[in-house]
Formats: sequence, C-alpha cells, structure tokens
Amino acid sequence: NAGVTQTPKFQVLKTGQSMTLQCAQDMNHEYMSWYRQDPGMGLRLIHYSVGAGITDQGEVPNGYNVSRSTTEDFPLRLLSAAPSQTSVYFCASSYAPGPRAGTEAFFGQGTRLTVV
Amino acid sequence: GNSVTQMEGPVTLSEEAFLTINCTYTATGYPSLFWYVQYPGEGLQLLLKATKADDKGSNKGFEATYRKETTSFHLEKGSVQVSDSAVYFCALRGGNNRLAFGKGNQVVVIP
Repeated sequence: NAGVTQTPKFQVLKTGQSMTLQCAQDMNHEYMSWYRQDPGMGLRLIHYSVGAGITDQGEVPNGYNVSRSTTEDFPLRLLSAAPSQTSVYFCASSYAPGPRAGTEAFFGQGTRLTVV
Repeated sequence: GNSVTQMEGPVTLSEEAFLTINCTYTATGYPSLFWYVQYPGEGLQLLLKATKADDKGSNKGFEATYRKETTSFHLEKGSVQVSDSAVYFCALRGGNNRLAFGKGNQVVVIP
C-alpha cells in the first residue's frame, strides 16, 4: 500500500522558473491538501480539495496553483518561483472529514524545494 | 478562527526522563484533537487522537487527554527513549474540516 506519494523529493529552481510538485494517493480519499513547513512556523495550508473538480485556497495560496482532475492526483504548481518559496512541501489526504470523526490525515514524505 | 498553541522552544532530556509537551487550542464547537510526529527526513505520522472531551488518546507509551475546560491536549510519556527524538505537532480539526497545526516542538533525547 503506497499511501501518499510525492515527487520529486528534492528540487532546486532558479528565480522565475516554474515547476509542478506531484502528489498521488491510492486510498480513494476525497480530501487532499498541500502544506508548506518552515522553521518556527509549523505547517501552513496552501490549497486543498474536497473532491475531484473542487479546490479552494488555504492560508498562504499566493504564488501557487492547484487542480484536481482525478481523485488520486493533486499537483501543486509554482508559476514563477521566488526565494520566499524555499520550503518543505507536504501533501496530505484523508476521507471526507467530520468534526467528530477524528479523521486521520496521511502525509507524503515531502518535497524539499530551494529557490536560488 | 481555529488555532493551536504549543510551548516554545526545543525540548532536550535524558533517556528514561518524563516528557510533557503543552498544547492549548482555540476553536468553536467540538474539534477533534491530534498529535502527529515527524521523524528526521520523513513526513508526519499520526501518533494519537481524541474526538471528544475527557477522551484519552494513547500510542507507543504516549498519552494525551482532551480537556475541554482548559482547552488543552498535553502530550506525556513516562520514560522516553532515544528513538523518540523527533518533532511533535499538536493539531485540531474543527467545524470547517481543515486541520490547524501548532508550530511543533523538537524533542531531543540524550542517551
């Protein structure tokens, strides 16, 4: 059972370049999300999706785009990379959560991105 | 909105010592509460959870009790091992169904 798979694990970009971080899950989860992790900041939500064809913004969406054409895949696009986007990026998935359900989120291994 | 506050700074302690990491939250309604652990170079893994007041979550010797009166979910372990060295995140899922995380605490256990 692969769970949540992120690629690549490491990436170096030059300022202004674009790229796509891939995320795939094989658990048939409706809910997927992208976070960035920065020192002293914890995890901050970038974008999320509650199902195929539906996406919404999180806390820090600027500079990132997402789409959800299938249940399995949720790619994150950086349109024009900036040094401020240097971070570790995590994708997560879960079943459709309910407030009392205690629905667990499963995380990928992360992508460490450096923008120079 | 929903938020989680964890105690500031890393935690360094000796093997077999008692560990406490404080976590308090602000949320409307009845959130579910979680502790996640992140080992070096890895993603986050669920450590334990609680879904209603007075519930106690436990796993691998760790425990946390959902205290609604103090809006807290402190993590404890009676005797830590070197293998417990990791970053620990408190989180909640509230009425908006989004996970909110604390800033995390680095725990270093010295042999």
